[in-house]
Amino acid sequence: NAGVTQTPKFQVLKTGQSMTLQCAQDMNHEYMSWYRQDPGMGLRLIHYSVGAGITDQGEVPNGYNVSRSTTEDFPLRLLSAAPSQTSVYFCASSYYAGVIQETQYFGPGTRLLVL
Amino acid sequence: AQSVTQLGSHVSVSEGALVLLRCNYSSSVPPYLFWYVQYPNQGLQLLLKYTTGATLVKGINGFEAEFKKSETSFHLTKPSAHMSDAAEYFCAVTEVGRTSYDKVIFGPGTSLSVIP
Repeated sequence: NAGVTQTPKFQVLKTGQSMTLQCAQDMNHEYMSWYRQDPGMGLRLIHYSVGAGITDQGEVPNGYNVSRSTTEDFPLRLLSAAPSQTSVYFCASSYYAGVIQETQYFGPGTRLLVL
Repeated sequence: AQSVTQLGSHVSVSEGALVLLRCNYSSSVPPYLFWYVQYPNQGLQLLLKYTTGATLVKGINGFEAEFKKSETSFHLTKPSAHMSDAAEYFCAVTEVGRTSYDKVIFGPGTSLSVIP
């Protein structure tokens, strides 16, 4: 049981490049989410999903796309990287039965630097 | 929309002293509340949560928190700080969706330092 895995651990991009941050979980969780962590701002929700084929925007969705084709995977796409997207990105998952009251399990994070 | 405030971005306590980390939320309905801890260069892990029932919730590593609806607060406490408690602590609340699905909103975090 690997829990929540994220790849890569660290990435450097140039402004305008695109990339996909991978997230996978093996706990059969319906709910998955992406957060970015910036100093003094805590974790801000980017996008989330309550099951395969269902996604919604969080607090800071601009510049990011997601899709959920399987229960296990929830990739985050940066379409055209900007320096403002330099951050640490966390993926999380939890059980979902119509309301979020269960523990979220977090991945180890991806550190992204956009030059 | 829900919001979560944590008073004090940085708290220092002496080893053995009481730890008190404050969390207030904005909600007109009973919320689901969480405290998560983040050790350096790691992801977050759950300390404790309140969903329903008893308002005093006990978590791991000797931490507890009390849900006070009248004060819209969910402060985290530990009677005696240990060096290993030094970490970043995040309060979070479930925003129950009215026109969208539920989502979890985090506060800005409080960095706890423990002085020997």
